[in-house]
Amino acid sequence: AQTVTQSQPEMSVQEAETVTLSCTYDTSENNYYLFWYKQPPSRQMILVIRQEAYKQQNATENRFSVNFQKAAKSFSLKISDSQLGDTAMYFCAFMKFRGAQKLVFGQGTRLTINP
Amino acid sequence: GAGVSQSPSNKVTEKGKDVELRCDPISGHTALYWYRQSLGQGLEFLIYFQGNSAPDKSGLPSDRFSAERTGGSVSTLTIQRTQQEDSAVYLCASSPTSGGAGETQYFGPGTRLLVL
Repeated sequence: AQTVTQSQPEMSVQEAETVTLSCTYDTSENNYYLFWYKQPPSRQMILVIRQEAYKQQNATENRFSVNFQKAAKSFSLKISDSQLGDTAMYFCAFMKFRGAQKLVFGQGTRLTINP
Repeated sequence: GAGVSQSPSNKVTEKGKDVELRCDPISGHTALYWYRQSLGQGLEFLIYFQGNSAPDKSGLPSDRFSAERTGGSVSTLTIQRTQQEDSAVYLCASSPTSGGAGETQYFGPGTRLLVL
């Protein structure tokens, strides 16, 4: 079974700073997908970024980028020029390449951006 | 277009009562997922639908939990004889197909269930 671990329950940074959220996972699969989802107080989960394990290039989406280290089974999220609207819970998630497409989530990191 | 919607937004019930939670996926999405978010267990998968069939029910915690989907659209999650440990936020998500590996799942706002 796959497991996802987020070791930082809470983080807090000042607006405009860069912050990195950590995620590690455990799997015997060779191909899979990894995701970062954001959950603001409204509760609605929003996809931030996704990474295919067979792609070596790290995914980027505007101010969001990942550092994917397949051998280390690490998938960290970097938020550059952080904004107040980035305040939310952030969840790292794993999905198998084939078969059941359910997401396996980490415990989440509560990120607060201070003005 | 409209996103995933869920109703009710909040539900308070008494222990032992049955509850029904509803999910309306994005129009045309054939895959639908239910997850549960609780303080003790985090975010956990409950059940997955492809069309009206449920090939993966492995996450349902007990036989008090059931779900159905009709017309390849709306899904209802039913919890019978609710217990206090059922208190959680129930999230629904949909994706265009389940055959496309790694498809993004689009989530609804969830139903917060409180069992007194």
